[in-house]
Amino acid sequence: AQSVTQPDIHITVSEGASLELRCNYSYGATPYLFWYVQSPGQGLQLLLKYFSGDTLVQGIKGFEAEFKRSQSSFNLRKPSVHWSDAAEYFCAVGKFSGNTPLVFGKGTRLSVIA
Amino acid sequence: EPEVTQTPSHQVTQMGQEVILRCVPISNHLYFYWYRQILGQKVEFLVSFYNNEISEKSEIFDDQFSVERPDGSNFTLKIRSTKLEDSAMYFCASSAGFDTGELFFGEGSRLTVL
Repeated sequence: AQSVTQPDIHITVSEGASLELRCNYSYGATPYLFWYVQSPGQGLQLLLKYFSGDTLVQGIKGFEAEFKRSQSSFNLRKPSVHWSDAAEYFCAVGKFSGNTPLVFGKGTRLSVIA
Repeated sequence: EPEVTQTPSHQVTQMGQEVILRCVPISNHLYFYWYRQILGQKVEFLVSFYNNEISEKSEIFDDQFSVERPDGSNFTLKIRSTKLEDSAMYFCASSAGFDTGELFFGEGSRLTVL
């Protein structure tokens, strides 16, 4: 069965510093990978997704993620964090079918300090 | 920009009462989902719905739960007799189809069972 592990429950970074959020997955086939962000009181917004092709994908808000098959990882990165990036970040895995549910990780809460 | 809307944003109910959570998916989407997030835990899949029937459901989605799309626009989740452990944030999502794989989420309905 597929699963997603986000090993960091909470990360604090300084504004302007770089960020990397870790995600490892377990999946029996070629995975389709997603990062969602949840701001306080908001729903889940898609940051980026990987289906195939270039393993480095660009998303919204200056985020990028790199798919590494050998490490079963899909880590999220941002070179310079802004205070508005403080939120909960969820990695998810699924397969390429409209009615297949995504499996989410437990999330990583990002705090940004001045 | 089209969005998924959910009502109510917060509902408090007594244990044993019936609850209906409502969602209006994006109008041209074909696949509909309910997820839930118990406080501090991961986002969990409940059910997916396509072509007016359930296409997949998790073990969480027992006989106390039901979904329907009564009028072609709303997509509802009913909990027949709520339990304390049903307290969670419930997210509705919709998807255009298998060629995108992206789920669009609503802002959630927080259910508190007393």
